[in-house]
Amino acid sequence: GQQVQQSPASLVLQEGENAELQCNFSTSLNSMQWFYQRPGGSLVSLFYNPSGTKQSGRLTSTTVIKERRSSLHISSSQTTDSGTYLCATVGDNSKLIWGLGTSLVVNP
Amino acid sequence: GPKVLQIPSHQIIDMGQMVTLNCDPVSNHLYFYWYKQILGQQMEFLVNFYNGKVMEKSKLFKDQFSVERPDGSYFTLKIQPTALEDSAVYFCASSLSDTQYFGPGTRLLVL
Repeated sequence: GQQVQQSPASLVLQEGENAELQCNFSTSLNSMQWFYQRPGGSLVSLFYNPSGTKQSGRLTSTTVIKERRSSLHISSSQTTDSGTYLCATVGDNSKLIWGLGTSLVVNP
Repeated sequence: GPKVLQIPSHQIIDMGQMVTLNCDPVSNHLYFYWYKQILGQQMEFLVNFYNGKVMEKSKLFKDQFSVERPDGSYFTLKIQPTALEDSAVYFCASSLSDTQYFGPGTRLLVL
């Protein structure tokens, strides 16, 4: 079946530093959705990005289909960015196939 | 952004009992999903639903599970009877086409 690998598994930053999170796929990529999972567990959709680059504030998502990867760049990190970042690829019948996530801690 | 609501936020029940998890999706959305996340583990797809029918269910969607959306009201996940391994956070999502929007989850603990 389709596998999704995220890296790094965890990351610790000082406030103001940038972060680059990666998502790789073992089979063809249909599309990609990035989520932020708060420490309490709730999910926030960050990007739906089938290809190319999308930006929202300090967040940038780049998906390269032929290389079967997507990245999430966080610039000038803040302590409120701490949490888990999840990527998911869109499978058949639009079901999401998830990675294990990157746990991010931003220290003041 | 669009809001998906889930009721209850937490539920503790004894093994063997029935539980119904309720999802209030975004009003004009057509596609509905349930996902399961065991603490510390990967989020996993359970089932999706469109036009009153199940489109696909995963191997995690056991015979004890059922979904419905009677008369356009709540989209529900029923587990009857519950088992210990059903303890998890259950997330509901809805979409109009591409982007799925998630509820805050229901934390289910089966004792």
